[in-house]
Amino acid sequence: EIVLTQSPVTLSVSPGERATLSCRASQSLSRSLAWYQQKPGQAPRLLIYGASTRATGIPARFSGSGSGTDFTLTISSLQSEDFAVYYCQQYYDWPPFTFGQGTKLEIK
Amino acid sequence: QVQLVESGGGVVQRGGSLTLSCAASGFSLSTYGIHWVRQAPGKGLEWVAVIKYDGINKYYTDSVRGRFTVSRDTSENMVYLQMSSLRAEDTATYYCARDFKNSWFDYWGQGTLVTVSS
Repeated sequence: EIVLTQSPVTLSVSPGERATLSCRASQSLSRSLAWYQQKPGQAPRLLIYGASTRATGIPARFSGSGSGTDFTLTISSLQSEDFAVYYCQQYYDWPPFTFGQGTKLEIK
Repeated sequence: QVQLVESGGGVVQRGGSLTLSCAASGFSLSTYGIHWVRQAPGKGLEWVAVIKYDGINKYYTDSVRGRFTVSRDTSENMVYLQMSSLRAEDTATYYCARDFKNSWFDYWGQGTLVTVSS
């Protein structure tokens, strides 16, 4: 089973600043990684797939990068609606599909 | 538009059974698979099971294999998760999500809460 480790667990950033979230895999994923955003009381929402492709309707301030075992989600200028929990998910080797434990992005 | 709506959650005693439903609209289950993903209170996401677009191939996470069964009714565009021998650790919000070519989950339902009481 592929283990995904996200860091940091909690990230405090001021609105308008940049946020950088990390996801590290226990083995190479090539680019088979997706990112999701989840707000309290809501279902997750797909942000990024293929490590760097934005899903439909996702603002350009969200960008993904990386390949192999190290991946990054960057939010270039944080808006109030971006404060949420973010999860990475691998689909390189399944079952099982696996998620990281999440990074909570909070307002500083 | 694509929509997924879960139902069937509730409180069940340990060792009991419950069946969750996922109503799909805006696409055909003959073209897309459906995953079940759960989230224990205050915890992260855990993949549970998937039924592929062919309705034949089904996969489960180890902790539910033999206790949970995923099925579908294409005529009703419904997917089901039959859960039995429920344990306290099965307490979670259960989401159904559409599978995109064995990869990411592109649409999600709003979730249904299952509470296993002792």
